[in-house]
Amino acid sequence: QVQLQESGPGLVKPSQTLSLTCTVSGDSISSGTDYWSWVRQPAGQGLDWIGRLSSSGATNYNPTHNNRVTILRDASKNQFSLTMTSVTAADTAIYYCAREKIEMTTTTLLGRFDLWGQGILVTVSS
Amino acid sequence: SYELTQPPSVSVSPGQTATITCSGNQLGDKFPSWYQKKPGQSPVLVIYKGDKRPSGIPERFSGSTSGNTATLTIRGTQTMDEGDFYCQAWDSATVVFGGGTKLTVL
Repeated sequence: QVQLQESGPGLVKPSQTLSLTCTVSGDSISSGTDYWSWVRQPAGQGLDWIGRLSSSGATNYNPTHNNRVTILRDASKNQFSLTMTSVTAADTAIYYCAREKIEMTTTTLLGRFDLWGQGILVTVSS
Repeated sequence: SYELTQPPSVSVSPGQTATITCSGNQLGDKFPSWYQKKPGQSPVLVIYKGDKRPSGIPERFSGSTSGNTATLTIRGTQTMDEGDFYCQAWDSATVVFGGGTKLTVL
């Protein structure tokens, strides 16, 4: 079955760069119509979409994070990554990678997150 | 920017019906999804495309939309249904989540 697994440092110093990787098994991130996203949840807060990668490598970002975030892929490893620069304590959160199934209706394009990784806690602290 | 508004909390007695709403401009046209999030676990998709239930989700979960409001209904609510519920929709190819509703079953 399809599985997603986040990996990366659990502790990042303020002003430094957060880097996470999502390894996907059972599905290809470079083919099909699915998108591959990063979502985070700070403690005591709600879900926050960070951005996504399409099978062609195109990206979309949450405008709130746009100027600090980059999502890339390593097709040979079937992995996609998240880089977030200039982190602060406000970036402390559980970070999830997720598969976004895309569907087109007669009037619109829409997506749903049908599979999620287990999440990884990233703490920003000196 | 597009916003989705949910009540912070909903309480229901076991066996009763829980109703969680989500409001946003023309939300019915965006075919929203709903997720259940329990502490220490990843979110789980419980409703998509407004009213579709993924395989494995109990029939007591249902969704509907009308105008600017989407509704998640849980009939015969069980204690295991406690958790946070989030609505989600697309707006201009970006993903928007509601602020979440904490469902308490007591």
